[in-house]
Amino acid sequence: EPEVTQTPSHQVTQMGQEVILRCVPISNHLYFYWYRQILGQKVEFLVSFYNNEISEKSEIFDDQFSVERPDGSNFTLKIRSTKLEDSAMYFCASSETRGVKAFFGQGTRLTVV
Amino acid sequence: GESVGLHLPTLSVQEGDNSIINCAYSNSASDYFIWYKQESGKGPQFIIDIRSNMDKRQGQRVTVLLNKTVKHLSLQIAATQPGDSAVYFCAENTQYGNKLVFGAGTILRVKS
Repeated sequence: EPEVTQTPSHQVTQMGQEVILRCVPISNHLYFYWYRQILGQKVEFLVSFYNNEISEKSEIFDDQFSVERPDGSNFTLKIRSTKLEDSAMYFCASSETRGVKAFFGQGTRLTVV
Repeated sequence: GESVGLHLPTLSVQEGDNSIINCAYSNSASDYFIWYKQESGKGPQFIIDIRSNMDKRQGQRVTVLLNKTVKHLSLQIAATQPGDSAVYFCAENTQYGNKLVFGAGTILRVKS
């Protein structure tokens, strides 16, 4: 069964450093998303991406965040200068149709120290 | 510093019983709803979805009910099994939106 894959599974970084989280969405999907989940809390929307541009973003997704689809298979989330409060699980998701039935990856646990 | 998580509601059921997990939503513009199951350390896993032009949809052992009048969604799991133990999230989207807004989640514990 096709699945969304994310790498790395766990990333530890120093405050102020840049991180890139990587995702390979399901191959025939056209809509891509990043969500995050702080430990013990609900899943929060960060950004959605379609046709090589951002279609929606949340207040969390400020100038420190960016997304890119560098080739036909990868979808990345970059955090330019990490803060302690960026520590969370980051989930990539993809869907065939806009905004519905999104399939999630297993997540990247980001720890900022 | 230490982060304090939400105190999620917990539903404890006996193995073999039926489970009903509830979700209230507030956005009257929402027209698509979805349930996810999240096991510890894993990503949300799709269970079932429903559009606002329906009030009931059934899957394998699961049923989603939608009451638009009172903005309420429920997930019914028949013959609950230990493997159903997880956190369950409802999420919603509007007709032209491209994001899912998640609820707080409910912990389901299945006792053997």
